[in-house]
Amino acid sequence: DAGVTQSPTHLIKTRGQQVTLRCSPKSGHDTVSWYQQALGQGPQFIFQYYEEEERQRGNFPDRFSGHQFPNYSSELNVNALLLGDSALYLCASSFGIAGPPSYEQYFGPGTRLTVT
Amino acid sequence: SQELEQSPQSLIVQEGKNLTINCTSSKTLYGLYWYKQKYGEGLIFLMMLQKGGEEKSHEKITAKLDEKKQQSSLHITASQPSHAGIYLCGADMDNDMRFGAGTRLTVKP
Repeated sequence: DAGVTQSPTHLIKTRGQQVTLRCSPKSGHDTVSWYQQALGQGPQFIFQYYEEEERQRGNFPDRFSGHQFPNYSSELNVNALLLGDSALYLCASSFGIAGPPSYEQYFGPGTRLTVT
Repeated sequence: SQELEQSPQSLIVQEGKNLTINCTSSKTLYGLYWYKQKYGEGLIFLMMLQKGGEEKSHEKITAKLDEKKQQSSLHITASQPSHAGIYLCGADMDNDMRFGAGTRLTVKP
């Protein structure tokens, strides 16, 4: 049973560029949440997708957008990259939607984005 | 400021020693979660606590939620090198999930 997978593992981009990160949820899961984790900090919730729609959103600018596909996989897009966007981006999956993106989420290994 | 304060920020213990990590909130916690993260990797779910006074154990790790549901502790008994990593508490807050900054645990053999 495959867990949550993310690609790529590492990515280096230049300020001002755009980036797309990908996530495949755990088998049987239909909800995907994205988090940003800066070095030495806990993850911060970006948004959650369920039934191909954004259901919940954290305090992140519109430069951060996403998409969920019919097979439940998801993409995170970040436009006009800033140096401060450098972080580990985590994807988490769960089954069903019931308020906050919380209990028993399964996390992927993350994509480490470096913006130079 | 962090809505979930974790202490200590880092901890170095000798193998075999016991240790405790704390997570404190200024608000009542309706769902408190403990995760472990190895450096640069994803989070591994450890335990979920919901009721005041609740205590759960898994192997040598015990987590408690106080009666007021504003503080949780994670206790590791007879620590091993495999316990090393970053321990994060998370909670449902304002319709999303918030995390503490984490406690980095080093276990010296």
